[in-house]
Amino acid sequence: AQTVTQSQPEMSVQEAETVTLSCTYDTSESDYYLFWYKQPPSRQMILVIRQEAYKQQNATENRFSVNFQKAAKSFSLKISDSQLGDAAMYFCAYRSPNQAGTALIFGKGTTLSVSS
Amino acid sequence: KAGVTQTPRYLIKTRGQQVTLSCSPISGHRSVSWYQQTPGQGLQFLFEYFSETQRNKGNFPGRFSGRQFSNSRSEMNVSTLELGDSALYLCASSLVPSGGYNEQFFGPGTRLTVL
Repeated sequence: AQTVTQSQPEMSVQEAETVTLSCTYDTSESDYYLFWYKQPPSRQMILVIRQEAYKQQNATENRFSVNFQKAAKSFSLKISDSQLGDAAMYFCAYRSPNQAGTALIFGKGTTLSVSS
Repeated sequence: KAGVTQTPRYLIKTRGQQVTLSCSPISGHRSVSWYQQTPGQGLQFLFEYFSETQRNKGNFPGRFSGRQFSNSRSEMNVSTLELGDSALYLCASSLVPSGGYNEQFFGPGTRLTVL
């Protein structure tokens, strides 16, 4: 079974600085999909960024980028120019290859606080 | 376009009771997945419905059940509530069955407290 581990329960960053959240996963599959979700205090999960394992190029979405290391089974999230609105819980998630009804497997999350 | 809506947002029940939670997906979405979020266990998959059929089920006891209607709205039911069922229940919708790269859109959740 696949597992996702986020080793940093809490992280903090100052506005305008850069922070990196760690995620490692365990799988025997060669193809899969990885996601980062943000859950602000309102509790509504929002997709931040996603990555297909067969793509070597790291995904980027504006200030958010990932460092995907397939051999190391690592998928870290980098937030550049941090903003107060980035404060939230961040979840790393794994999904098996495209099969109808494949669930997301989440890590335990990292709470990010942003100070001014 | 309206997002995923969940009702009620908060619910307090006592042990032994049953509860029904509702989820209305984004218009046009036919897949609804349910997740349970607790501080101890994190986010765990309950089940997914697509076109009124259960496509996938997580590792939860039979007290947890669900269904989907022809308009894609979904309900989940928990019978004989236990203290450990206290959690945030999230539903997520997508156009097609969740899988691969497909994005799922989450609702705000229903906070269930069991006393």
